[in-house]
Amino acid sequence: GAVVSQHPSWVICKSGTSVKIECRSLDFQATTMFWYRQFPKQSLMLMATSNEGSKATYEQGVEKDKFLINHASLTLSTLTVTSAHPEDSSFYICSAIDRNWNEKLFFGSGTQLSVL
Amino acid sequence: DAKTTQPNSMESNEEEPVHLPCNHSTISGTDYIHWYRQLPSQGPEYVIHGLTSNVNNRMASLAIAEDRKSSTLILHRATLRDAAVYYCILRDSGTYKYIFGTGTRLKVLA
Repeated sequence: GAVVSQHPSWVICKSGTSVKIECRSLDFQATTMFWYRQFPKQSLMLMATSNEGSKATYEQGVEKDKFLINHASLTLSTLTVTSAHPEDSSFYICSAIDRNWNEKLFFGSGTQLSVL
Repeated sequence: DAKTTQPNSMESNEEEPVHLPCNHSTISGTDYIHWYRQLPSQGPEYVIHGLTSNVNNRMASLAIAEDRKSSTLILHRATLRDAAVYYCILRDSGTYKYIFGTGTRLKVLA
């Protein structure tokens, strides 16, 4: 099956710094990738939809200047949390749609971000 | 975005079948019904999906009501490894967005 690689798995950073999370589709081309965040004991919340070569579409309430998304190729999307604060601490998960299986969504293993 | 409603939690004995219900009364004619499950500290895993007809795969079966306003995920023989949060999701046919509901936490008793 299709594999989505996400790293780092976890990251600890100081308040005010920026953190970049990478999401790669290893064996397929992903025209569309999604970024989610998840707080403990809660469901996944969609943050943004990213299409290759175009600007990401953010969900209501998600600050696009704080969560920078780049989808420069069909196999790579990045999420940069800029000027991170403790309230940004969360589990971030990327996912991708496989062109050949466009009804299936494949998820990365997630990144646990802790901001001190 | 069309929404789904699921029970917060369910329990099952090991080796017995489990029926996980999902209501989606606002589903549109072209929305696909997807099921994913998530283990702690992991990304969700695809289970099954369908549009109108019932579907079977090696993991589970999906029974879709005739009016498509509800569906049921069937695990034929629950194992301890099936303990997870199960999400029923409608894939928006226009935006392709997958919006997660609250999910059902399945506990499997040995």
